[in-house]
Formats: sequence, C-alpha cells, structure tokens
Amino acid sequence: DAKTTQPPSMDCAEGRAANLPCNHSTISGNEYVYWYRQIHSQGPQYIIHGLKNNETNEMASLIITEDRKSSTLILPHATLRDTAVYYCIVREHYGQNFVFGPGTRLSVLP
Amino acid sequence: DAGVIQSPRHEVTEMGQEVTLRCKPISGHNSLFWYRQTMMRGLELLIYFNNNVPIDDSGMPEDRFSAKMPNASFSTLKIQPSEPRDSAVYFCASREEPGRAFFGQGTRLTVV
Repeated sequence: DAKTTQPPSMDCAEGRAANLPCNHSTISGNEYVYWYRQIHSQGPQYIIHGLKNNETNEMASLIITEDRKSSTLILPHATLRDTAVYYCIVREHYGQNFVFGPGTRLSVLP
Repeated sequence: DAGVIQSPRHEVTEMGQEVTLRCKPISGHNSLFWYRQTMMRGLELLIYFNNNVPIDDSGMPEDRFSAKMPNASFSTLKIQPSEPRDSAVYFCASREEPGRAFFGQGTRLTVV
C-alpha cells in the first residue's frame, strides 16, 4: 500500500522557490521521510531525509509538520536542471526497502 | 568512490535469449536492491539483499527472473528466457545500514 501522496505534477519559474508537498498521514514514530529525484531516466538521486526536525543541506530544505503527517521539500532557487520527478518515501532507518510511488513531476520553466 | 556500477548500460537481445545484468555496489555497503522501471509501472523493487542474503524477492515477476549475490562486491540479475515485456530500465542500488541508498545509472534492456 502506498504510504505517501504527492501531486502528480507542478510547475515552477526559474529562480523561484519550488515547494513540493507530501502527505504521509500514517507515518509511524520510527519512520523517516526521504526525498529522491530522478532526472530523465538517470538513476534516482538522494536529496535529503529527516525524522521530525527540519533539515537543510546544499541541495534543499525539508520541512516536516509537528504532527509529522506531511512534509515539504523546498528547492530555494530552482534552475532548469532541477526539472525531474521527485519522490517522497517514508521508511524505517533500518532494514526496510525503498518503495517508490509515482512522485511529482516538477517542470522548471524559463 | 565510483558509485554503484552497472553493466552493460544498454542491452538489445532477441526474445528467448538469456540476459545477465551486473552490478557492483559501493564498497562497504551491506544492502543491495534491484529495481525495474517502465512507463506503465514506474519503479518497482524486484529483490533486496542484506549481507549477500536475499531478504525479500516478492517483487521478482516470475521464475524466469533470478538474482544472485555471490559476494559483497558483485550481484547479477538474470532473465532466462527473455520476453519483449521484460524491456525496461533496470537499476541497482546499494546502501550502508542505516542510511541513504545510492543508485547506479541503470541498464536499458530491449527485448525484440
């Protein structure tokens, strides 16, 4: 069963922030939220992950709501190269598979 | 580290032939995954190894598919006999527990 829900597609203007939402209302206390992206049939690329605190790295920021039922991936200044399918995955830190849903197709427009 | 290495990058074969896809995981990683991606079904997990032992092969579509991991640095996915509906991109990924998974660039298989 799918554990996450994402919009099928989004557009974003180049240079603006891209905010990609994910609902995971059945997340359990020991499950992390992971984000990956896939650019044009390349292998999926890790972006960021978090448990309950907001996280930031050189690629993006991850905002997790206090009840952990949803999260938002933020690309602060989207470029054309950020056009990709973005996957939100919830999983325990140990021992579980990475199960990919259909993701969100982000199109960054010039 | 060179990352997860898959070979070949592209494979075209005739229906009925045996196909072997290869994967070299990142050194030190103890989990390995094989995925298949098609337009219709997206990314599907086929099989998952931990410490070279298959843990979950429920995604393997049928007996024509088999996967092995003889040691920590090598895995194969074999299809025998191949069929046109096996045409897809096959990805291998590895991870060090706990942590993120790293994916290879994939093998694009076309069965004609």
